[in-house]
Amino acid sequence: DIVMTQSPDSLAVSLGERATINCKSSQSVFYSSNNKNYLAWYQQKRGQPPKLLISWASTRESGVPDRFSGSGSGTDFTLTISSLQAEDVAVYYCQQYYSSPPVTFGGGTKVEIK
Amino acid sequence: QVQLVQSGAEVRKPGASVKVSCKASGYTFTGYYVHWVRQAPGQGLQWMGHINPNSGDTTYAQDFQGRVTITRDTSTNTAYMELNNLRSDDTAVYFCARDKGWVTADFFFFDFWGQGTLVTVSS
Repeated sequence: DIVMTQSPDSLAVSLGERATINCKSSQSVFYSSNNKNYLAWYQQKRGQPPKLLISWASTRESGVPDRFSGSGSGTDFTLTISSLQAEDVAVYYCQQYYSSPPVTFGGGTKVEIK
Repeated sequence: QVQLVQSGAEVRKPGASVKVSCKASGYTFTGYYVHWVRQAPGQGLQWMGHINPNSGDTTYAQDFQGRVTITRDTSTNTAYMELNNLRSDDTAVYFCARDKGWVTADFFFFDFWGQGTLVTVSS
């Protein structure tokens, strides 16, 4: 199975500042035949199910604010929140779906307000 | 609007079984795979398996092979996840989730989730 490793485990960012979350896969999740990275990002607020933010490494879901962006390719990916808002406090997970089943998730990164 | 509504919290003793339901509405139930993902207290997400609601075909994660059964009832647009021989480390919130792709081309990422069902295993 592909192992997904997120860093840091947690971070505290001031309101309006940038938050950067990293995700590394144990093998490439890039599929050259369609030029796509099979990587998604989710946001999970306390007591709620995860919410899909980004798929294919950089495609934002409809309704997701444009302060959220995804980047990276191959084995190294980043979720950036360009200007942190209070409502962004949550745990964020990356997930690979290149080698599925099974899909595998990162361990999560907790984002808090400094 | 798309909704997945799960059954309520359950408490079971070790060795028992539990069956969680997930009722879908707002879309064509047979058009999208339904997955099950669990989250132990304070922990991350673990994929358990999925079902093609159209054919009934299932795939299970290796970690749960032989203990989990996913079924569906197309007359009520409901998917079910049954876990047998429960252990204390099966205590978790169990989520159903809809695949983003169409049933003929499942993507294995999830655009709508149920609210979660807490299953507690304790003697």
